[in-house]
Amino acid sequence: DQQVKQNSPSLSVQEGRISILNCDYTNSMFDYFLWYKKYPAEGPTFLISISSIKDKNEDGRFTVFLNKSAKHLSLHIVPSQPGDSAVYFCAARRAGGTSYGKLTFGQGTILTVHP
Amino acid sequence: EAQVTQNPRYLITVTGKKLTVTCSQNMNHEYMSWYRQDPGLGLRQIYYSMNVEVTDKGDVPEGYKVSRKEKRNFPLILESPSPNQTSLYFCASTTGVHNSPLHFGNGTRLTVT
Repeated sequence: DQQVKQNSPSLSVQEGRISILNCDYTNSMFDYFLWYKKYPAEGPTFLISISSIKDKNEDGRFTVFLNKSAKHLSLHIVPSQPGDSAVYFCAARRAGGTSYGKLTFGQGTILTVHP
Repeated sequence: EAQVTQNPRYLITVTGKKLTVTCSQNMNHEYMSWYRQDPGLGLRQIYYSMNVEVTDKGDVPEGYKVSRKEKRNFPLILESPSPNQTSLYFCASTTGVHNSPLHFGNGTRLTVT
């Protein structure tokens, strides 16, 4: 049962335009959401996160939006740059207990930004 | 430099030959874990450890063992590897601070023939 889903395997965007990556989740116990970026032959690197008590978090060109009622989050990259081309993973964490270190990941979306 | 180091980066082995993938972190993190990445499935947790001598199963623990004898090291052991364990493996660590992200190593590409 895939509790975190990224339904778009790939996304292609022109440099300078906006990239929007989407993620849906099913478990209402998730209280913290993260986006990771992964380049080939490297491990995932943390990009941005959002707590379930917020609906938006911004860091430079990256903004994450959370819609709890729809169990949906999205990552906006504006403006997109060729160096943003990578695989993006959405991840979620459950509240409480020993869960603080465990992340449940989506399948990933390959973003390609064309010059 | 703060990092999680895995070795080896690439490993090809045969069915049944025991192997160990090492993981070390220099950030004094209490929590360490192993994930495997497979196409269409994202990353799935294999095992985790909340501190020295404290380990527990993740979502896909079958066929794997771990140990945590020192805070910085968390090796992944495959006693009798099988072809379905061919995958990309990542070690990760984090502090116990609320909302701190996981820090990942660069991965180990394992092929079992």
